[in-house]
Amino acid sequence: AQRVTQPEKLLSVFKGAPVELKCNYSYSGSPELFWYVQYSRQRLQLLLRHISRESIKGFTADLNKGETSFHLKKPFAQEEDSAMYYCALGDSWGKLQFGAGTQVVVTP
Amino acid sequence: DAGVTQSPTHLIKTRGQQVTLRCSPKSGHDTVSWYQQALGQGPQFIFQYYEEEERQRGNFPDRFSGHQFPNYSSELNVNALLLGDSALYLCASSLDGRNYGYTFGSGTRLTVV
Repeated sequence: AQRVTQPEKLLSVFKGAPVELKCNYSYSGSPELFWYVQYSRQRLQLLLRHISRESIKGFTADLNKGETSFHLKKPFAQEEDSAMYYCALGDSWGKLQFGAGTQVVVTP
Repeated sequence: DAGVTQSPTHLIKTRGQQVTLRCSPKSGHDTVSWYQQALGQGPQFIFQYYEEEERQRGNFPDRFSGHQFPNYSSELNVNALLLGDSALYLCASSLDGRNYGYTFGSGTRLTVV
């Protein structure tokens, strides 16, 4: 069965500290994995896609097929990173399955 | 470009009633997907429309139905509303949904009382 697990509902970090959001998945095929972000009063938007292997706003995510994980990391959190983050798994038809989300709060 | 437009933004309905939500995709997009987001949960896939046909469907009952028009806009219909249908309904558009280039709308907040 296809599943996305984000074990942390809330992550509180200090500005300048590293932040890591965990995401684990289960999928029988070759996964397409994404991180979406929703800032306060804004729409859900794509942050990262695993095949692009790029860094967006200082965030990176590495797909680990052995551990079936796609954790999101940033070495130095900023206040503007405070948002809701969703990990999502895409199937071959474009359907996205989202995790429950992690609320990140960055305090000064 | 206004992006994805959804209407109405908020809606209150009574149990047993029927509701229609509307979505206009981003200019140039031809595929519309609908998601239900209950409070404290991630979005759950309802279905996807491409070329006016339902291409894929999530685990939702037949009370949930949809339509896509020739101009690519879409409607989501829910019959026999239950209290558990209260949620934020999101529409996402893309150019041939399989490329994942989704643009999300702001959603319609449905409250069933």
